[in-house]
Amino acid sequence: AQTVTQSQPEMSVQEAETVTLSCTYDTSESNYYLFWYKQPPSRQMILVIRQEAYKQQNATENRFSVNFQKAAKSFSLKISDSQLGDTAMYFCAFIVNYGQNFVFGPGTRLSVLP
Amino acid sequence: EADIYQTPRYLVIGTGKKITLECSQTMGHDKMYWYQQDPGMELHLIHYSYGVNSTEKGDLSSESTVSRIRTEHFPLTLESARPSHTSQYLCASSESRGQGVGYTFGSGTRLTVV
Repeated sequence: AQTVTQSQPEMSVQEAETVTLSCTYDTSESNYYLFWYKQPPSRQMILVIRQEAYKQQNATENRFSVNFQKAAKSFSLKISDSQLGDTAMYFCAFIVNYGQNFVFGPGTRLSVLP
Repeated sequence: EADIYQTPRYLVIGTGKKITLECSQTMGHDKMYWYQQDPGMELHLIHYSYGVNSTEKGDLSSESTVSRIRTEHFPLTLESARPSHTSQYLCASSESRGQGVGYTFGSGTRLTVV
């Protein structure tokens, strides 16, 4: 079975600090895509960052970067210089190449404190 | 600006009523999805469609039904609402070409059945 685990239900970080959200997944496939989604309170879920499993280089998007460890099936998200607007639920997800649907993790609730 | 629209944004309705949650997208995406998001925020796939006249049930059993008569429209219907249907419902869409582009989500409908 394909699963995603996010072991941190809730986290908090001080504004301007750095925080890392953990994600591990399980699949027997070798080609897949990994994603982090952000869902602010009462707002639309948006894509934060994506990673193609065949690429060794870690993806970065401004203050967001990932640490992708394919052998360990780990895909953590690092948020640098945290801002109040980063307060949200963060979901890790993946889909195998030619797969049907995404597999989402249970989410991590991140609070950025002033 | 969202290219996938869900209405209503909030709905409070009495037990036994029939309701339809609307979802429309303007991106020409073939694939569309309905997720139920529980109070713990975990996402559960309840329905999906890969194109017109194609609908499938998701991982979570649901008493709701869906239809896909037009590419851009994917409504979800509950014939007889019950308090156990109280939840947030998220609609999403994605392109058919490859899985690397991810989902686009609507803003969700928060349903309360009293």
